[in-house]
Amino acid sequence: DAGVTQSPTHLIKTRGQQVTLRCSPKSGHDTVSWYQQALGQGPQFIFQYYEEEERQRGNFPDRFSGHQFPNYSSELNVNALLLGDSALYLCASSLRQLEAFFGQGTRLTVV
Amino acid sequence: ELKVEQNPLFLSMQEGKNYTIYCNYSTTSDRLYWYRQDPGKSLESLFVLLSNGAVKQEGRLMASLDTKARLSTLHITAAVHDLSATYFCAVNFGNEKLTFGTGTRLTIIP
Repeated sequence: DAGVTQSPTHLIKTRGQQVTLRCSPKSGHDTVSWYQQALGQGPQFIFQYYEEEERQRGNFPDRFSGHQFPNYSSELNVNALLLGDSALYLCASSLRQLEAFFGQGTRLTVV
Repeated sequence: ELKVEQNPLFLSMQEGKNYTIYCNYSTTSDRLYWYRQDPGKSLESLFVLLSNGAVKQEGRLMASLDTKARLSTLHITAAVHDLSATYFCAVNFGNEKLTFGTGTRLTIIP
């Protein structure tokens, strides 16, 4: 079992650009959540997907959007990037509301 | 407001000593998680605590949950250098997401 995998691992973008991050959940998991972790802080919940629908959303602007595919994989899209979007983006998968397992993260740097 | 607070934020301790990290949360929950994070890395699951009075141990780490006091503790016994990391508690308040504490950066000094 490969666990939760995310791609890419590192990314550098320019302000105003758009970015797409990808996540493949752990085998057997049907729920994917995305978190943003700024340097020196705890992860902050962005949103959660289940059955291809956004089920729950945190306090993030509409520039942050996502998608879940029939195979349960997920994408996080961020439009009009700001310097403050620089962070580690973590994907977590779970089977319904049981224990969440985190991927290795994508380090996004906006310059 | 749903809040999770950890203390201390920073902890420097000598090898061989014992210490406790505290995690307080603002409202009822019976699902609490502890994670470890090494610099630049992702979150490694340490413990899942699902009921009042739950106690779990793995090596030199032991976690407990008191849902009435809204308090969880992570106890470190006879610390070794390999335990140096940032430790997070996270609470599921029944709203299908994890709310994380601020983290405790632990440094073990030889």
